Amino acid sequence: IAGITQAPTSQILAAGRRMTLRCTQDMRHNAMYWYRQDLGLGLRLIHYSNTAGTTGKGEVPDGYSVSRANTDDFPLTLASAVPSQTSVYFCASSDSVGGYNEQFFGPGTRLTVL
Amino acid sequence: TQLLEQSPQFLSIQEGENLTVYCNSSSVFSSLQWYRQEPGEGPVLLVTVVTGGEVKKLKRLTFQFGDARKDSSLHITAAQPGDTGLYLCAGSNDYKLSFGAGTTVTVRA
Repeated sequence: IAGITQAPTSQILAAGRRMTLRCTQDMRHNAMYWYRQDLGLGLRLIHYSNTAGTTGKGEVPDGYSVSRANTDDFPLTLASAVPSQTSVYFCASSDSVGGYNEQFFGPGTRLTVL
Repeated sequence: TQLLEQSPQFLSIQEGENLTVYCNSSSVFSSLQWYRQEPGEGPVLLVTVVTGGEVKKLKRLTFQFGDARKDSSLHITAAQPGDTGLYLCAGSNDYKLSFGAGTTVTVRA
């Protein structure tokens, strides 16, 4: 089934630990995104990639890094997790060339940093 | 500060009633999208509106894009319990989306 997969589904992490959230899409979309969703704040863009090999900073990039080695994968790394990074993280993709940036979302990763 | 303001934040209605959700901004967008999100899942795209003044209908859902392409509304006619969810609007510029905080809609049977 075409779509986006994210792993893990949920994770409890000690502060200071390093963590990588995985995201894979099989739709051959050129663009991919990472958002965090917090109550009352909606979805906020962390990082994005318009095409393999390029990345850009979103609204809340501090404490996060990404890479885009190929079209399908877009991992998000927390180098040293802090409690304020407790959130639900969504990966999304879109075929942004010639379209309206309509995005398809994964099921999310619920991360708790203690 | 949210680039897109949604109102109301919460809405609880009885089955069969109508409801309207608003999405307002001071910015102009090249397009505006509406998503619905159910608990434990990612948002799912409902519709994209592109032209100022555009109206799109999806069964009992009617979406309107403001003439100036700064605001939008979602109207649900004869709401059903299956319409329950978090409704998010998102404005598109420069290949990125800016989301509103969402409206949580609960339709009681």
